[in-house]
Amino acid sequence: AQTVTQSQPEMSVQEAETVTLSCTYDTSESDYYLFWYKQPPSRQMILVIRQEAYKQQNATENRFSVNFQKAAKSFSLKISDSQLGDAAMYFCAYRTWGLTFGEGTQLTVNP
Amino acid sequence: DSGVTQTPKHLITATGQRVTLRCSPRSGDLSVYWHQQSLDQGLQFLIQYYNGEERAKGNILERFSAQQFPDLHSELNLSSLELGDSALYFCASSLGGPFTDTQYFGPGTRLTVL
Repeated sequence: AQTVTQSQPEMSVQEAETVTLSCTYDTSESDYYLFWYKQPPSRQMILVIRQEAYKQQNATENRFSVNFQKAAKSFSLKISDSQLGDAAMYFCAYRTWGLTFGEGTQLTVNP
Repeated sequence: DSGVTQTPKHLITATGQRVTLRCSPRSGDLSVYWHQQSLDQGLQFLIQYYNGEERAKGNILERFSAQQFPDLHSELNLSSLELGDSALYFCASSLGGPFTDTQYFGPGTRLTVL
């Protein structure tokens, strides 16, 4: 069974600085998709970024980028120029039929 | 706004009761997924429907069932409710591919079982 692990329950960053959230996963599949979702206090689940496992190039969406290391089964999220609105719970997720989520990392952004 | 709608937003009921949660997917999406977010279990995938048929099952209890109707909306039925069923229930939708497409989440239904 696939598992997703986020080893940092909480992280904090100063506004305008950079932070990296870690995620590792376990799978025997060779083709899969990985996602980062953001859950602000409103509890809405918002897609941040996605990565196809067959692509070697790391995905980027504006200030958000990933470091995908397939052999190491690692999928970290980097947030550059952090903003107050980035404060949220971040979930890493592995996609096959459904979604397997990590435990989440609560990100605090300090002004 | 993801385009996925869920009703009701909040639901309070008693143990032993049965409730129905409703979801309308984004226009054009054929797949609907149900997920549960609770304090004890975290976020868990429950079940997926594609164009009216069950496609995949996750950690869904036997007391829970779902269906997808011809107009593609979906309902999640929870019966013989227990205190531990209190959770935020998300519906998500996608175009339909099992592995390739992105799930977009609705705002959730918060269920409280007293």
